[in-house]
Amino acid sequence: DIQMTQSPSSLSASVGDRVTITCRATQGISNYLAWYQQKPGKVPKLLIYAASTLQSGVPSRFSGSGSGTHFTLTISSLQPEDVATYYCQKYNSAPRTFGQGTKVEIK
Amino acid sequence: EVQLVESGGALVQPGGSLRLSCAVSGFTFSNYAMTWVRQLPGKGLEWVSLISGSSGTTDYADSVKGRFTISRDNSKNTLYLQMNSLRAEDTAVYFCAKGLRGSSSAFDQWGQGTLVTVSS
Repeated sequence: DIQMTQSPSSLSASVGDRVTITCRATQGISNYLAWYQQKPGKVPKLLIYAASTLQSGVPSRFSGSGSGTHFTLTISSLQPEDVATYYCQKYNSAPRTFGQGTKVEIK
Repeated sequence: EVQLVESGGALVQPGGSLRLSCAVSGFTFSNYAMTWVRQLPGKGLEWVSLISGSSGTTDYADSVKGRFTISRDNSKNTLYLQMNSLRAEDTAVYFCAKGLRGSSSAFDQWGQGTLVTVSS
């Protein structure tokens, strides 16, 4: 099975900072990669699909890139409401594995 | 407005069974793949199972294969997860979610989740 590994597992940054989270797949998955945001006590929310397509209603400070085995989620200017855990997920075939999550906090 | 409402979570003994339901509204249910995702207490997300819009395709995580069965009733706009031979490690909040398009899709709408606790 293909494994999804995120790094870092947590980060602390200041408001306005550029934040980058990496997700690596052990085998190529083309662009079948999604990013989700889960705020504390809330339901996961789809941010990006097809590696780089912004879901409707998601602020433009979020962006995604990559293909194959290496993907990134970037928050161009971190805001207080972005405090959350972020997950990547492959969805091309079973198992539709999630990464272990990256917890983002404000410094 | 799209809504997904899970039900059926409960406290059950190891080895027991439970059926979760997810009632949906606000979209043409039969046109979309649906999935179950679980979250162990304080842990990350774990994909569990997926069913295509026509019920022709089902997929399972290895951890539940042979014990869980996903199904849907498109006439009732309801998704199900039959869970048998439950183990302590199945304790989690179970979310249902809607595929963005076909079976190879991200999940764009999520329910609030239902808690399953497996304990004696």
